[in-house]
Amino acid sequence: EDQVTQSPEALRLQEGESSSLNCSYTVSGLRGLFWYRQDPGKGPEFLFTLYSAGEEKEKERLKATLTKKESFLHITAPKPEDSATYLCAVVHYGGSQGNLIFGKGTKLSVKP
Amino acid sequence: NAGVTQTPKFQVLKTGQSMTLQCAQDMNHEYMSWYRQDPGMGLRLIHYSVGAGITDQGEVPNGYNVSRSTTEDFPLRLLSAAPSQTSVYFCASSGGGWGQETQYFGPGTRLLVL
Repeated sequence: EDQVTQSPEALRLQEGESSSLNCSYTVSGLRGLFWYRQDPGKGPEFLFTLYSAGEEKEKERLKATLTKKESFLHITAPKPEDSATYLCAVVHYGGSQGNLIFGKGTKLSVKP
Repeated sequence: NAGVTQTPKFQVLKTGQSMTLQCAQDMNHEYMSWYRQDPGMGLRLIHYSVGAGITDQGEVPNGYNVSRSTTEDFPLRLLSAAPSQTSVYFCASSGGGWGQETQYFGPGTRLLVL
C-alpha cells in the first residue's frame, strides 16, 4: 500500500535548538516529494519539491533532503515564527496524474 | 495573481441541505483538486480534474460531485450534507505536467454540518 509516514507527530524546541523532521514513504516509483507548511486556520503553503535521491533544497532556516526511502526537513536555529505543522506529500508514477499522498504532519512548536 | 481562491470561508449546514463550495485559480493550471482535512487523518483527495471537461474520483468521493467547465473554476457540490462531512476543505491546483507537479492550495472552507 502506498504510504507516507511523518515523525515525530509533535516536536517542541527552544529557540535556536536545531532539529530534523522525518518523512518516510513507500510508493512504487517516486515522481516527486513535497514539503508544505501549514499555519492554524490556513491552507498548506508550499516550501520545497524534491525529485531525486541526493537532491537538497534550502530556504532561510530550512533545508530539505531526499533519499530513496525518506526525506528530512532540517531546521537550523529555529525561531518562534517557525512554529507550524509541516506536511510531507508524494506523487508517484503508479498513481493518478498529479495526485498527492499526504502524511499526517509534524506539529512544531518553538519556544522563545 | 490571487492564486487559488475559495468561497465561502465558513459555512453551517443542516443535515440534508445541499451547497456548492467554490474554487478558482488564475494561474492557468490544468490540474485542480479538492481535499478534506480532518484531525488525525491528514489531507485526503476527494475529486480531481486534469483539464476542462475531465474529472475523476479520489480517495473519498462519496457524497460529493464536481464539474470543470472552465480552466479557472472547479466547484465542489455536496448533494445532501451529512454530519460526517464536517471538515475543512481545500482546493489546489498545479500545472500538471512533468516538472509541474507542485500543487498550490487555497485558504480553505470550514464546513459544519449539524
